Parts: sequence; structure tokens; C-alpha cells
Amino acid sequence: DSGVTQTPKHLITATGQRVTLRCSPRSGDLSVYWYQQSLDQGLQFLIQYYNGEERAKGNILERFSAQQFPDLHSELNLSSLELGDSALYFCASSGGQGARGYGYTFGSGTRLTVV
Amino acid sequence: AQKVTQAQTEISVVEKEDVTLDCVYETRDTTYYLFWYKQPPSGELVFLIRRNSFDEQNEISGRYSWNFQKSTSSFNFTITASQVVDSAVYFCALSEADTNAGKSTFGDGTTLTVKP
Repeated sequence: DSGVTQTPKHLITATGQRVTLRCSPRSGDLSVYWYQQSLDQGLQFLIQYYNGEERAKGNILERFSAQQFPDLHSELNLSSLELGDSALYFCASSGGQGARGYGYTFGSGTRLTVV
Repeated sequence: AQKVTQAQTEISVVEKEDVTLDCVYETRDTTYYLFWYKQPPSGELVFLIRRNSFDEQNEISGRYSWNFQKSTSSFNFTITASQVVDSAVYFCALSEADTNAGKSTFGDGTTLTVKP
């Protein structure tokens, strides 16, 4: 157990639907990162939060949004889902504002299948 | 812009062979961090090591060793006497020391298969 909890582990949903992925960071970590892993795109950075504030944004679609709550858990919302959104979504946490000196601790991922 | 290249898409070795996974990076920052992660067939991503740009000492941890060379912008990973349990996808990653961006850029990964 890495200490980063992601739910659900698996999600199957239809095109056009909306889903919410949840992540609880490792105890004491203030930064949360979301990554998307697909076969053709590899590991793509989506967004980072630090202590409730958005810190960095990657190639995140406008249909996707995220937030980090006061208890530091984070949610990634994916809407108007398309077949191409099928992927493994990872949450990672780290101790500092940046990854400087801190490797990520990853959750086990949420496998999203859009049918 | 930062970039990480893992030119080896797949490597297959027989148990007990040594294997080196290559990683070449690009960055304009003078301060940055390099990482290796392992993704076994079960799917989770496991942090293996990090290096900062000012520390070019090689590191050895059991059968694992890492060779960081700034002159060639490389951070290679060697597994000595490979074992079947080493079969996994290995990712190299780079993070620049930017106060606004803690994100890491990952290479495409190298799939290592160790056959018994």
C-alpha cells in the first residue's frame, strides 16, 4: 500500500457521461498530481494542486476539471466522455510544492473504459 | 521545454543477464531532478530513485545502479543479474526546479521482459 488511495479502481461508462475520480494523498503530502496513461500517449501530466490551489496545468482537456479540498483529497471530473478518454488515470502525491527532491508516490490508478 | 527520451521500446533478456535501460533528457534549466519509476504487470507505478542535477555520483542499490552524466544528458539504469521479477515497464522522468511547476515529464517507457 503506497499510502495514496484512488477510487474507484475500475469504471465503465458510456460516451457522453460524466464521472468523478477520487484521490486521497499520502499522509502529510500537500501536492497532488493527476496523470493520464494511454497506450498511444504514454504518461501525460494533467494537473497539479498544492494545498488546495492549482499549481500547474498540462494537457488537460476543457471537458476535464479537478479540485483539491481542504482535507487535501482531490477529485478529477471528466465530462462528455469520448471513447478516446479510455485510459488509466493515476493520482500521485509528493511532500513539497514541486517535485524537487521528492519522488512521486502513486496510487494504484483508476482504469476508465468508455463504451 | 523539457523532454525525456527512452529510445528502447522493448528489451528482452534471459535471467541473470545484465541489462541497461537508456534515458536521455533535454532541459534548459540548470537545476532539475531525474527519476526512475517501475510499473510491473500489476499496473502500479513505483518510485525507484531520484537524482538532482548537481549530484553526478553514480548510485548502486543492490542489483540496481544508475549512471548520471550531465555531459551527455543521460541517466541510465542498469540491472545486474536480472530476475523474472524485474519484468516491468520502466519510466525515466524529469522535473525542472520551477516553483510553479512540480510536474514531471515522463519518457515513453521501456518494457523489460526477463525470461527464465
